[in-house]
Amino acid sequence: NAGVTQTPKFRILKIGQSMTLQCTQDMNHNYMYWYRQDPGMGLKLIYYSVGAGITDKGEVPNGYNVSRSTTEDFPLRLELAAPSQTSVYFCASSSGRQLSTNEKLFFGSGTQLSVL
Amino acid sequence: DAKTTQPPSMDCAEGRAANLPCNHSTISGNEYVYWYRQIHSQGPQYIIHGLKNNETNEMASLIITEDRKSSTLILPHATLRDTAVYYCIVRVPKFLSGNTPLVFGKGTRLSVIA
Repeated sequence: NAGVTQTPKFRILKIGQSMTLQCTQDMNHNYMYWYRQDPGMGLKLIYYSVGAGITDKGEVPNGYNVSRSTTEDFPLRLELAAPSQTSVYFCASSSGRQLSTNEKLFFGSGTQLSVL
Repeated sequence: DAKTTQPPSMDCAEGRAANLPCNHSTISGNEYVYWYRQIHSQGPQYIIHGLKNNETNEMASLIITEDRKSSTLILPHATLRDTAVYYCIVRVPKFLSGNTPLVFGKGTRLSVIA
């Protein structure tokens, strides 16, 4: 069972370049999330999705875009990379069972991105 | 969601119980307490959650005070592999909050020492 898979694991970008961070899950989860984590800091939510075709902004969405065309995939797009986007990016998913109090998120292993 | 306060760091001797406190004095009646941990460079991992009764699973125990203004996560026999950042999060469940996601603070960095 693969769970949440992120690619690539590491990437170095030049300022102004674009890239897409891939995230896929095989647990048929409705909810998917993108977080970033700067060194020594907690996680900050970038975007999230409650189902295919539905996305919403989190705390720090500027400079990013997302799409959710399928239940499995939730790619994160950086259009014009800036040094401030140097961070570790985590994708996560959770089930959408109704009336559940379990907020169990499953995280991917992360993508370490450096913008130079 | 209620705010939480956790100590920035703690040490624990290997084999001893690790007791991680969390203050949430503004917690409301339908807010749950969730605990996650993040081992170095990995994604966070769910540990346990509860409303007002004490909870136990294979990873840890969660003790919530009667007034629900604070809680303690207990790792009964800490090992070196328990060294991690532990996050305490207080919020209403998704189905009551309009599906808003979890928000992670800075947590407590637990160091288990041999």
